[in-house]
Amino acid sequence: AQSVAQPEDQVNVAEGNPLTVKCTYSVSGNPYLFWYVQYPNRGLQFLLKYITGDNLVKGSYGFEAEFNKSQTSFHLKKPSALVSDSALYFCAVRVNSGYSTLTFGKGTMLLVSP
Amino acid sequence: GAVVSQHPSRVICKSGTSVKIECRSLDFQATTMFWYRQFPKKSLMLMATSNEGSKATYEQGVEKDKFLINHASLTLSTLTVTSAHPEDSSFYICSARLAGTSDQETQYFGPGTRLLVL
Repeated sequence: AQSVAQPEDQVNVAEGNPLTVKCTYSVSGNPYLFWYVQYPNRGLQFLLKYITGDNLVKGSYGFEAEFNKSQTSFHLKKPSALVSDSALYFCAVRVNSGYSTLTFGKGTMLLVSP
Repeated sequence: GAVVSQHPSRVICKSGTSVKIECRSLDFQATTMFWYRQFPKKSLMLMATSNEGSKATYEQGVEKDKFLINHASLTLSTLTVTSAHPEDSSFYICSARLAGTSDQETQYFGPGTRLLVL
């Protein structure tokens, strides 16, 4: 079985400050890890993914995430938050297998204040 | 990135009627599409995996006779909620994976369909 934990329901940060949204995972095998963002009443937008290679992955809108195998984590980061980054963020994992499906975390609401 | 559309974006229906939701991959072919359900302030729950030309694979607890899925072409999958009831009211989201490309591991999501059953 595979699972994803996003320990924070909400993260508050001031505009211009760095932000981190935490994610840890559990899989049997090599993980494929993803971050998605969801704005109100919208579908999910793909931000970035880790499949293999460099542990630091850069994605859309200035976001990046670092794969840490020993800590089984894939935290999402951004050096300088924008008010427009306020949204619901989902971490997801699937195992490296053609028939595996994505498992999502419960989501973390990011609120960036002006 | 790849674009996935859903239609309708919002639907209101009476209890007992059936509702069809379409999911289309606009600029790529998708041999596999996924249907999710999302409750307010909750994560996504996978309902089924839709494979072009074959029967869908339903997750445990999802009634296949109530949620009919058809994947008739490489760009279209439909979800029909049959005999809808108020408890079926939810946000339904589809996604698709690019087939046979270097980006085939990524799922691209549609904008979602808000279903309200009165």
